[in-house]
Amino acid sequence: AQKVTQAQTEISVVEKEDVTLDCVYETRDTTYYLFWYKQPPSGELVFLIRRNSFDEQNEISGRYSWNFQKSTSSFNFTITASQVVDSAVYFCALSETSWGKLQFGAGTQVVVTP
Amino acid sequence: SQTIHQWPATLVQPVGSPLSLECTVEGTSNPNLYWYRQAAGRGLQLLFYSVGIGQISSEVPQNLSASRPQDRQFILSSKKLLLSDSGFYLCAWSAGGGPSTDTQYFGPGTRLTVL
Repeated sequence: AQKVTQAQTEISVVEKEDVTLDCVYETRDTTYYLFWYKQPPSGELVFLIRRNSFDEQNEISGRYSWNFQKSTSSFNFTITASQVVDSAVYFCALSETSWGKLQFGAGTQVVVTP
Repeated sequence: SQTIHQWPATLVQPVGSPLSLECTVEGTSNPNLYWYRQAAGRGLQLLFYSVGIGQISSEVPQNLSASRPQDRQFILSSKKLLLSDSGFYLCAWSAGGGPSTDTQYFGPGTRLTVL
């Protein structure tokens, strides 16, 4: 069964628009970790953030922000004032203490045009 | 700081030929190591992981094998490549010594085309 769902296959925006990527996860563990990775056209996966299940505080890092809501099992990612360099595939991932391995969503392609 | 290397960066091989992809990590000891494959269409599939020298766990039955001859070296191999082995192969490491929920850091990847 799919543990991480990224329902948006592709999102296209014009530069300076905000874009929100949805991530819904499924787990029975009480302790788990959520991640976001960026995969630019070069292919390498770049780590963006790791959150544990006990920390529901929203996080902001520059133009990036994350909204973690346990009640809806969601860990959404927003890019504010998007730039062309934000064009990439973004992956949400889950790691459960009972499993200890990363389970990735299918990814969301973000295309930012000038 | 830790760095992870993969080579070669790209590879074109005929069907039936052998394969050896190498991954090395610097700046850490006793890492967990992982091999992933990403076929066209983006999904990331975990192939193998290792929590120590000589310890390999296979996630998916397939034409590939992995070995860890040294603490920070992870090798992906095949005796005879299939067309379906084409894809983008990513190596990753995390702090460990056992099954871990720590962050995984990825290498630059190897793009393999089997013709």
